[in-house]
Amino acid sequence: EAGVAQSPRYKIIEKRQSVAFWCNPISGHATLYWYQQILGQGPKLLIQFQNNGVVDDSQLPKDRFSAERLKGVDSTLKIQPAKLEDSAVYLCASSLGVGSNYGYTFGSGTRLTVV
Amino acid sequence: GQNIDQPTEMTATEGAIVQINCTYQTSGFNGLFWYQQHAGEAPTFLSYNVLDGLEEKGRFSSFLSRSKGYSYLLLKELQMKDSASYLCAVMGDYKLSFGAGTTVTVRA
Repeated sequence: EAGVAQSPRYKIIEKRQSVAFWCNPISGHATLYWYQQILGQGPKLLIQFQNNGVVDDSQLPKDRFSAERLKGVDSTLKIQPAKLEDSAVYLCASSLGVGSNYGYTFGSGTRLTVV
Repeated sequence: GQNIDQPTEMTATEGAIVQINCTYQTSGFNGLFWYQQHAGEAPTFLSYNVLDGLEEKGRFSSFLSRSKGYSYLLLKELQMKDSASYLCAVMGDYKLSFGAGTTVTVRA
């Protein structure tokens, strides 16, 4: 089966600019996650979708970050305006459902550098 | 929330065994995962424990003690390709949280 697709692979922007990332999960996976991984740290959950509804966005900095999953398939994550501390790898993952019985499959991520 | 601790770095020789320890605190424990992440790549699933005991899968084994909030990942017959970061992840209240990862360097 095809994996989780993400684009772009790399992005360099100046602070205060905006940026968007795209994710296409594995076909049939109802649950989609966006994680932020800062260099030297483990991934941190930003937002979790179940189909097109938000399950958890408690760690999403909502003043600058937004995400949507229209039609319950593809998802976009946006940052506006970006700050230097947003430099990180943004990982998208998907699973069949919520819970430990369902493994997470990660995409290759988008490496964002804010200068 | 979860608090997950694991060593930052470990070095071992090709063919040897390395054990990566992970301690955690969480509410609503649903399971513990180990992921492997090569530099610049996505995390890939290695193992899953939900009950106490040892799970063996080829050269990799993972152990869990829920009462102690403790797990370890055992890598046997180390190969150069095993050089990577190993992430301990705990699912609590159906949310998956990761430790900072242990960078394992395998030397010839």
